[in-house]
Amino acid sequence: GENVEQHPSTLSVQEGDSAVIKCTYSDSASNYFPWYKQELGKRPQLIIDIRSNVGEKKDQRIAVTLNKTAKHFSLHITETQPEDSAVYFCAASISRAALIFGKGTTLSVSS
Amino acid sequence: SAVISQKPSRDICQRGTSLTIQCQVDSQVTMMFWYRQQPGQSLTLIATANQGSEATYESGFVIDKFPISRPNLTFSTLTVSNMSPEDSSIYLCSVTRREGIPETQYFGPGTRLLVL
Repeated sequence: GENVEQHPSTLSVQEGDSAVIKCTYSDSASNYFPWYKQELGKRPQLIIDIRSNVGEKKDQRIAVTLNKTAKHFSLHITETQPEDSAVYFCAASISRAALIFGKGTTLSVSS
Repeated sequence: SAVISQKPSRDICQRGTSLTIQCQVDSQVTMMFWYRQQPGQSLTLIATANQGSEATYESGFVIDKFPISRPNLTFSTLTVSNMSPEDSSIYLCSVTRREGIPETQYFGPGTRLLVL
C-alpha cells in the first residue's frame, strides 16, 4: 500500500524566514497531495493541495511543488509568522479518495 | 465546505466497554472516512464508510473491533468495542463530495476518547 514519509519532524525558524517541509510517497498511482495544518486541540485544516497534472501551486505565502518522477512533494512557507506555528501533515490519495498521511512536522516560529 | 459535527466531543470510558461515535454532515456527501489520531501522532485511516454496505477497512483494523454504519448520505457511526487503554485517541470523521475523484477532505472536530 501507499506509504508517505515526511521530514523534518520538527522545524524551528525565526519570524520572516522561510520554512520547507518535504514528503515522499511510494505509490506512483497516487494523484492528489494535500497539506493540512493542525493547531493544538483542533481539527486538521487544508491549507493547500496539488494534483498530479500540476508541478507547482501557490497561494499567497504558501506554495507546494510536486516531482512525480522522484515521487516527492514539498511545502514552502515564506515570510513565516508566529501564527504559522502548528503541526503540518502531508498526505497522498490512494484509491477511493482516502488519504494516507505523513507523520507530521512541528513548526515553531519565534519572534 | 461541509459542516461536520461529531458526538460526543469527548468521553472517558472504562476498559471492556464500547462507545459509539456519531458523525453528521449538513449536506449529502459521497465519501465518508474514519481516522484515528493517537496522542502526538499522525492520522491513521481506519475505514471508508460505505452507504448501504459494509465498510472497507484498512490493514490492522477489523469490523469486530470498529463496527461502522452509514445508513444514509449524511450520517455515519463508528463504535469502538471492548475498549482498552490503547484505544485512547482522537477519532475523526472526514468527508468528500465526489466519489472516486480526489477532492478536498473536510474533517469533523474529532472525539477525544480516554480509556481507563
